[in-house]
Amino acid sequence: NAGVTQTPKFRILKIGQSMTLQCAQDMNHNYMYWYRQDPGMGLKLIYYSVGAGITDKGEVPNGYNVSRSTTEDFPLRLELAAPSQTSVYFCASSYSIQGGGYTFGSGTRLTVV
Amino acid sequence: DAKTTQPNSMESNEEEPVHLPCNHSTISGTDYIHWYRQLPSQGPEYVIHGLTSNVNNRMASLAIAEDRKSSTLILHRATLRDAAVYYCILRSGSNYKLTFGKGTLLTVNP
Repeated sequence: NAGVTQTPKFRILKIGQSMTLQCAQDMNHNYMYWYRQDPGMGLKLIYYSVGAGITDKGEVPNGYNVSRSTTEDFPLRLELAAPSQTSVYFCASSYSIQGGGYTFGSGTRLTVV
Repeated sequence: DAKTTQPNSMESNEEEPVHLPCNHSTISGTDYIHWYRQLPSQGPEYVIHGLTSNVNNRMASLAIAEDRKSSTLILHRATLRDAAVYYCILRSGSNYKLTFGKGTLLTVNP
């Protein structure tokens, strides 16, 4: 059981470039989430999904896109990277909406220069 | 989302119990109280959650006040590996999103 796997772990992008952050879970969780964490701050929700084919915006969705074609995968797409998107990105999944814990990945550290 | 208030930082000695407080005076009847922790350079880790009754698991205990307006995460014997930021989060029973604040930075002294 790998849990939640994020790739890559580190990436440096130039302003205006695009990239996809990958997230995969093997726990058959319906709910998946993308968060970002800026230095010294708590996590902020970017996008979430309640199942394959269903996604919705979180607190800070601008500059990002997501898709959920399978239960296992929830990639996050950055178009036209900006320095403000320099952050650590965490993917998470959960099974239940009634209590229950989230499982987080180990994160992707992204720097936009 | 109902808000929580936690101290910015706390300090403890190794092998001693740690009581991490959280105030949530605007909690609603359907809000679960969740605790997560984040070790340096890692993703958050689920610790414990509860609704009304006190809860125990292998990691910690959660003590919930009778009026539910506050709660305390108890680490029974702190170790150096418990040094982390601890987040107290309210999650509505009908809402699957977690809203993270700044949490409490716990320092454990050897």
